[in-house]
Amino acid sequence: KQEVTQIPAALSVPEGENLVLNCSFTDSAIYNLQWFRQDPGKGLTSLLLIQSSQREQTSGRLNASLDKSSGRSTLYIAASQPGDSATYLCAVNRASGSRLTFGEGTQLTVNP
Amino acid sequence: GAGVSQSPRYKVAKRGQDVALRCDPISGHVSLFWYQQALGQGPEFLTYFQNEAQLDKSGLPSDRFFAERPEGSVSTLKIQRTQQEDSAVYLCASTLGGGGYEQYFGPGTRLTVT
Repeated sequence: KQEVTQIPAALSVPEGENLVLNCSFTDSAIYNLQWFRQDPGKGLTSLLLIQSSQREQTSGRLNASLDKSSGRSTLYIAASQPGDSATYLCAVNRASGSRLTFGEGTQLTVNP
Repeated sequence: GAGVSQSPRYKVAKRGQDVALRCDPISGHVSLFWYQQALGQGPEFLTYFQNEAQLDKSGLPSDRFFAERPEGSVSTLKIQRTQQEDSAVYLCASTLGGGGYEQYFGPGTRLTVT
């Protein structure tokens, strides 16, 4: 059974810092890895999707990397802003079923 | 275009009542998923449809949970005889096709069973 772990569970940083969020998964037979953000009381917003054949994806100040063989992904946020404060979730799926298996998230607070 | 919508956004039910939660996926999206998210946890898979066919319902926690998507578009998640442990946010997601596409999520329905 696939298990996804995110470290740290919570992170508080001053505005302007670069930061890294970590995600690990136990079964390397994944098809996609997706990073989401979730604001309090809201649904999930997709940030980046990395297919298993890719090593990284970038969108603006966000960069996600994938090391499938070691079962790890990182989300790098450059020049953090208070508006980045949210819970960040990573999730993986397999080609056969497409259901996502989520980690428990990292709650990020960026202080002005 | 319009995203995934869910209704109601909030539902309070007394223990033992039946509830129905609705999901309107993005137009043209073939696949639809339901997830359950407990407070402080990541979402957990409940069930999956491809068009009107329910291909995976292995995540439904009990036979009190039932989902349908009769015309391959709108889906309804029904919970019979609600229990306190059913209190959670129920999220719906849709995607164009199978595993290669991003899943787009709705805002969720927060169910509170008293």
